[in-house]
Amino acid sequence: DAGVTQSPTHLIKTRGQQVTLRCSPKSGHDTVSWYQQALGQGPQFIFQYYEEEERQRGNFPDRFSGHQFPNYSSELNVNALLLGDSALYLCASSSIRAGDLETQYFGPGTRLLVL
Amino acid sequence: AQSVTQLDSQVPVFEEAPVELRCNYSSSVSVYLFWYVQYPNQGLQLLLKYLSGSTLVKGINGFEAEFNKSQTSFHLRKPSVHISDTAEYFCAVSYYGGATNKLIFGTGTLLAVQP
Repeated sequence: DAGVTQSPTHLIKTRGQQVTLRCSPKSGHDTVSWYQQALGQGPQFIFQYYEEEERQRGNFPDRFSGHQFPNYSSELNVNALLLGDSALYLCASSSIRAGDLETQYFGPGTRLLVL
Repeated sequence: AQSVTQLDSQVPVFEEAPVELRCNYSSSVSVYLFWYVQYPNQGLQLLLKYLSGSTLVKGINGFEAEFNKSQTSFHLRKPSVHISDTAEYFCAVSYYGGATNKLIFGTGTLLAVQP
């Protein structure tokens, strides 16, 4: 049973650039959430996608956007990168259809460094 | 604002000793509670969860936690720790009936097991 996968594992960008991170949910899951984990902090909720629509958004600027595809995989896009965007970006999946929305399973994360 | 407090940023303990990691949450509504573990340079792994039912929850790797509604706490315990338990532990909460199951995390507790 494949777990949550994310790509790439590491990424280095410069200020002002744009980045796209990718996530494939656990097999059988239909809901994807994204979190940002700054160094030494707990993860912070960015947004959640279900049926290719954004269900809820955390306190992040519009520079952060996302997308969910028909196969339930998802992308996180960040425009106009700032130094403060350097963090570990975590994807989590769960399943509304299976009645297990509450439990989220996390991927290994993408570590983004902005120089 | 809803929040999770992990009272100890670091907990040093000797191998084979018992340990308790503390977690308190702020809420006047029903909650779901989770403990996740994060090993260095990895994503989050679900240790255990409380959704309903028995207030004593058993998880993987010999960990357990007890939900105390009156004290709004969900402390994590293990009777005998191993060197391999050294990791960052995060307590998280989501709210029953919320628009999504977004998780609110504490700042984490580093469990440092010494030989």
